[in-house]
Amino acid sequence: EAGVAQSPRYKIIEKRQSVAFWCNPISGHATLYWYQQILGQGPKLLIQFQNNGVVDDSQLPKDRFSAERLKGVDSTLKIQPAKLEDSAVYLCASSLDTGLSGNTIYFGEGSWLTVV
Amino acid sequence: AQRVTQPEKLLSVFKGAPVELKCNYSYSGSPELFWYVQYSRQRLQLLLRHISRESIKGFTADLNKGETSFHLKKPFAQEEDSAMYYCALRGDTGGFKTIFGAGTRLFVKA
Repeated sequence: EAGVAQSPRYKIIEKRQSVAFWCNPISGHATLYWYQQILGQGPKLLIQFQNNGVVDDSQLPKDRFSAERLKGVDSTLKIQPAKLEDSAVYLCASSLDTGLSGNTIYFGEGSWLTVV
Repeated sequence: AQRVTQPEKLLSVFKGAPVELKCNYSYSGSPELFWYVQYSRQRLQLLLRHISRESIKGFTADLNKGETSFHLKKPFAQEEDSAMYYCALRGDTGGFKTIFGAGTRLFVKA
């Protein structure tokens, strides 16, 4: 089966510019996650969707970050304006959430963002 | 609040030695615990989950609710075990969100 797809893989922008990341989860997966992973740290959950509804966005800096999941499939994460501290890998992931092994999270390769 | 703590950033052992990667958690309900692994130049992937009670690549982990721990163990480390290991917790309420620890880098020396 195809894995979680993300693009772009790498992005360098100047501070105060905007950037958008795209994610296509595994077909049929109800839950989609965006995690931020700063170098040397574990993944930090930014937002979690169940189908096209938000179930948790408590860690999303809503003054500059936004995310949507149209039609309960693909998702985009936008940062505007970017700050230096936003430099990180943005991981998209998905899970089936039904069945015995449904809670396993499958990750994309990540989108590496450098803000200069 | 959910919290996962991995106290060791780096663990270095010799090939054939036993390995234990520590994970402690804080959660008031009945969480589901996982270990994820990231090998060099690969994406993060599931290693094992506590409800399966299985051994994967020789690794096991037992959920100790009294000590709120989920340590990962392997009796004889191999060089190919060198990777980043993340402990994760999925809550049983409020959106069932999954959070990760900071990770432990395991380095197995020849």
